[in-house]
Amino acid sequence: DTGVSQDPRHKITKRGQNVTFRCDPISEHNRLYWYRQTLGQGPEFLTYFQNEAQLEKSRLLSDRFSAERPKGSFSTLEIQRTEQGDSAMYLCASDASPGGEQFFGPGTRLTVL
Amino acid sequence: QKEVEQDPGPLSVPEGAIVSLNCTYSNSAFQYFMWYRQYSRKGPELLMYTYSSGNKEDGRFTAQVDKSSKYISLFIRDSQPSDSATYLCAMRLTGGGNKLTFGTGTQLKVEL
Repeated sequence: DTGVSQDPRHKITKRGQNVTFRCDPISEHNRLYWYRQTLGQGPEFLTYFQNEAQLEKSRLLSDRFSAERPKGSFSTLEIQRTEQGDSAMYLCASDASPGGEQFFGPGTRLTVL
Repeated sequence: QKEVEQDPGPLSVPEGAIVSLNCTYSNSAFQYFMWYRQYSRKGPELLMYTYSSGNKEDGRFTAQVDKSSKYISLFIRDSQPSDSATYLCAMRLTGGGNKLTFGTGTQLKVEL
């Protein structure tokens, strides 16, 4: 399968715990995006990378959130001190610049108890 | 007011019907327009990708963009039960980071 993959698919955690998600983009894609989707809403942009550089972060990305893409391939999204409001689907997408079609992974569903 | 408005539905139609899904937007700088299909608890799947105004057809799907009215549409012909899903419109600016701005999604159910 050469699509975008995400791991884990589901994560249940207790409030205050740290969680980390991984995204593997389509191999020839140099841009990688993170979005968050809550029930009944469309995805909302969080941040994006071009190669290993993080070029934009949304105001939604509080200081408890950090994302990395150390070698310009896979990316991780870490949430520290999780809160119940962090419960959502976290989606990763990738495309090839410029102007490429953006393809999404299956998402990681986070539940914070 | 959200940048992209989309009626959340739900929209229920009989099998074989023509479905019309729509979005309006406020930012006239949007140049690229997309429709994604999302099944329950899955990631969005790209259906249509268009640039600027005009029509694009792909099988049973037709996307229309009217930039003068800031209005985009997706038409589904001969709808099937397998088309039952949430349809998300998305759009982005020219240049910049390629980040997408989505509508809330319209939930569609095609009934036998």
